[in-house]
Amino acid sequence: GAGVSQSPRYKVAKRGQDVALRCDPISGHVSLFWYQQALGQGPEFLTYFQNEAQLDKSGLPSDRFFAERPEGSVSTLKIQRTQQEDSAVYLCASSLDSTGYSPLHFGNGTRLTVT
Amino acid sequence: GQQVMQIPQYQHVQEGEDFTTYCNSSTTLSNIQWYKQRPGGHPVFLIQLVKSGEVKKQKRLTFQFGEAKKNSSLHITATQTTDVGTYFCAGHSGNTGKLIFGQGTTLQVKP
Repeated sequence: GAGVSQSPRYKVAKRGQDVALRCDPISGHVSLFWYQQALGQGPEFLTYFQNEAQLDKSGLPSDRFFAERPEGSVSTLKIQRTQQEDSAVYLCASSLDSTGYSPLHFGNGTRLTVT
Repeated sequence: GQQVMQIPQYQHVQEGEDFTTYCNSSTTLSNIQWYKQRPGGHPVFLIQLVKSGEVKKQKRLTFQFGEAKKNSSLHITATQTTDVGTYFCAGHSGNTGKLIFGQGTTLQVKP
């Protein structure tokens, strides 16, 4: 079956530009997570949703980062006025339920490079 | 806040040697999950441990969850070149669904 799909796969932005990263989770998965992964590091938690509700956004680095999942399916991570330190791979993952005991299914990520 | 630490950061072994990575949490965990990320790929779920002192095996991989539910280990017996990649532990505590990842251990296997 279809896995988690992320687009675009690569994004190059000039410093100061806004970007929008899209995530299509596995159909029927309740929870959706966004992680940021810098080179050689582990995934850093950004935010997560249970259906359309954003339950935790404690990992968002600044108010330039905004995530939404308006209909409880597709999610968008928006970064305004990008900075060089935003360069990283942004990983989206979904899981079947919201208990914290379901495995995460990751997409291939969006590699963001800010020049 | 909750932190998950992994050691070592890198490990180079000769094919056939054993490998172990250790994971420690600053807080008691409800469960721990292990993931493998191949170079250029995304993390893929391997296994979950829930009970104190639990041990699970997958072929040459042995996973342990500590008695206090604050640490875990992954041991690979007789490594193969297909074991190359970065192994992450990820813990979840309390009522939140948030999963916190360690920094990972990158395994290189020399044939």
